[in-house]
Amino acid sequence: QVQLQQWGAGLLKPSETLSLTCSVYGGSFSGYYWSWIRQPPGKGLEWIGEIDHSGSTNYNPSLKSRLTISIDTSKNQFSLNLSSVTAADTAVYYCARDLDGEIDHWGRGSLVTVSS
Amino acid sequence: QAVLTQPSSLSASPGASASLTCTLRSGINVGANKIYWYQQKPGSPPQYLLKYKSDSDKQQGSGVPSRFSGSKDASGNAGILRISGVQSEDEADYYCMIWQSRVSVFGGGTKLTVL
Repeated sequence: QVQLQQWGAGLLKPSETLSLTCSVYGGSFSGYYWSWIRQPPGKGLEWIGEIDHSGSTNYNPSLKSRLTISIDTSKNQFSLNLSSVTAADTAVYYCARDLDGEIDHWGRGSLVTVSS
Repeated sequence: QAVLTQPSSLSASPGASASLTCTLRSGINVGANKIYWYQQKPGSPPQYLLKYKSDSDKQQGSGVPSRFSGSKDASGNAGILRISGVQSEDEADYYCMIWQSRVSVFGGGTKLTVL
């Protein structure tokens, strides 16, 4: 059974860098894309980006200039860094597994609040 | 204009059928795209329901009841999620999604209320 466990700082000040990590337990780490998706409170889903086991990434163009997604295959972990955050980046952030375009496993989500 | 447009809300009676639409922006051909559907209940991450491109290219998510099905309305340039025999447990937010050159886009979501 595949499980994704995520963690990171939950409260940030404007201009700081958001950092989250997701560990994958069970199943293969290769052969998939590993994704980040966010959801502002009371709003819809926004795809952030993804990475495969080789380190190949795809990013949301609207976030690309501030975004880095990395992977550590030795630890079955992948990470999200989003720089220069503002209140607009306040959201629940989900890590997830993408199989052929189908996002079939999700982490529980991490609420990140940006406030001065 | 958003890439994917969904009505913000829809209501259905128990036992009835509900059709949730996902309209693609003009210039993006629904026929060329797989439409992915997700269900999200309060306080939980979304769950994958199914994907649909055509009757010969579709896939149900693992454990997803057959009363959830996908289709398309070519004239309306839209994907459709149909729920047959709506149950109270189907009350949730539903999101459609497509991939455009390895960039994913979600619709704004439809809140389904079971009255």
